[in-house]
Amino acid sequence: DVKVTQSSRYLVKRTGEKVFLECVQDMDHENMFWYRQDPGLGLRLIYFSYDVKMKEKGDIPEGYSVSREKKERFSLILESASTNQTSMYLCASSTPSETQYFGPGTRLLVL
Amino acid sequence: AQRVTQPEKLLSVFKGAPVELKCNYSYSGSPELFWYVQYSRQRLQLLLRHISRESIKGFTADLNKGETSFHLKKPFAQEEDSAMYYCALRGGSYIPTFGRGTSLIVHP
Repeated sequence: DVKVTQSSRYLVKRTGEKVFLECVQDMDHENMFWYRQDPGLGLRLIYFSYDVKMKEKGDIPEGYSVSREKKERFSLILESASTNQTSMYLCASSTPSETQYFGPGTRLLVL
Repeated sequence: AQRVTQPEKLLSVFKGAPVELKCNYSYSGSPELFWYVQYSRQRLQLLLRHISRESIKGFTADLNKGETSFHLKKPFAQEEDSAMYYCALRGGSYIPTFGRGTSLIVHP
């Protein structure tokens, strides 16, 4: 059974702080993704990675960066958190041809 | 470009009533279509994909290439079907595009 875990379920940060969200998958998947989930806007892709050290921008990469040093781990970094980054963040992983498996999500509140 | 449209933000029905969650897509090639579901306080999970042609939890979805639709249907809704439903399309790349989601509420 595929397991995708995220480091925190809830986070509260202050404006300007650097924020790290971590995602780990245990199925040796090549692809990993970070999404924002906002009411009425659905899932919006922030970044994805198709291999270690490889990354591609998604639809809304501004204000975010990512890191993938190991195949199983994909980190999302908010360099300087802002209130408009308050959201639910979902990580997912997949093989190139199969469906995505999602983590439980991290609800981030930036004050 | 690929696009997924779910025209209804909210769908409210009574238990036992038929349910149809609409999904229309725009893609020039042969797409792969999915429905994902997120129950309250649970993670987003795959409900069904069109290539499987399965019925999951009583739900079915047929890909209609002529109408570019992939509507999700269930003949008799149950209260436990209340959830957020997302339609997704995967085209030439392995990156799916999601619709904005439809919240289904099934009243007792």
